[in-house]
Amino acid sequence: SQELEQSPQSLIVQEGKNLTINCTSSKTLYGLYWYKQKYGEGLIFLMMLQKGGEEKSHEKITAKLDEKKQQSSLHITASQPSHAGIYLCGADDNNDMRFGAGTRLTVKP
Amino acid sequence: DVKVTQSSRYLVKRTGEKVFLECVQDMDHENMFWYRQDPGLGLRLIYFSYDVKMKEKGDIPEGYSVSREKKERFSLILESASTNQTSMYLCASSLYGWELFFGEGSRLTVL
Repeated sequence: SQELEQSPQSLIVQEGKNLTINCTSSKTLYGLYWYKQKYGEGLIFLMMLQKGGEEKSHEKITAKLDEKKQQSSLHITASQPSHAGIYLCGADDNNDMRFGAGTRLTVKP
Repeated sequence: DVKVTQSSRYLVKRTGEKVFLECVQDMDHENMFWYRQDPGLGLRLIYFSYDVKMKEKGDIPEGYSVSREKKERFSLILESASTNQTSMYLCASSLYGWELFFGEGSRLTVL
């Protein structure tokens, strides 16, 4: 089965700073999904990446999938308190969705 | 907007009790899923369903069963709750692929 490792496990940044979260797979990724979870709530879909080298942006969040399709990064520019939460990557793995353990982001005002 | 509604946000049950967690989606999605989420372990798939009356085991089905009698409703059943089933339970649905729409979660505590 596909293992997804996220780093860092947790991150505390000052408001306005940029940050990057990584998701690394043990196998080639055929579909990589980023979700955000507010504390104690369900997950919200952010973006999906499928092609090697693909990059997508939504507001101040940019996600990239490397050419080898084994690593994805999520970059937040000029972070705000509203960005706080847990970010999870998920991957399509043979009719199942595997998730990383998540990265907990805290943004200090 | 897709809405996935889970019946209870917080439940406290005793060991050995039967527990029902209900999930309803309003967008006619074919696929529905039950995950549990535990610190350090991420989300783990318990069961999923691609159609009415159809169910497939996920990674950790032991101690759980499911029911899908209607397309919009997917229920998770703990026949005899145990303390190691204390967790956050998340229901999700999807139309195609893996763009999942999640409910807000049900936090179950088994004493």
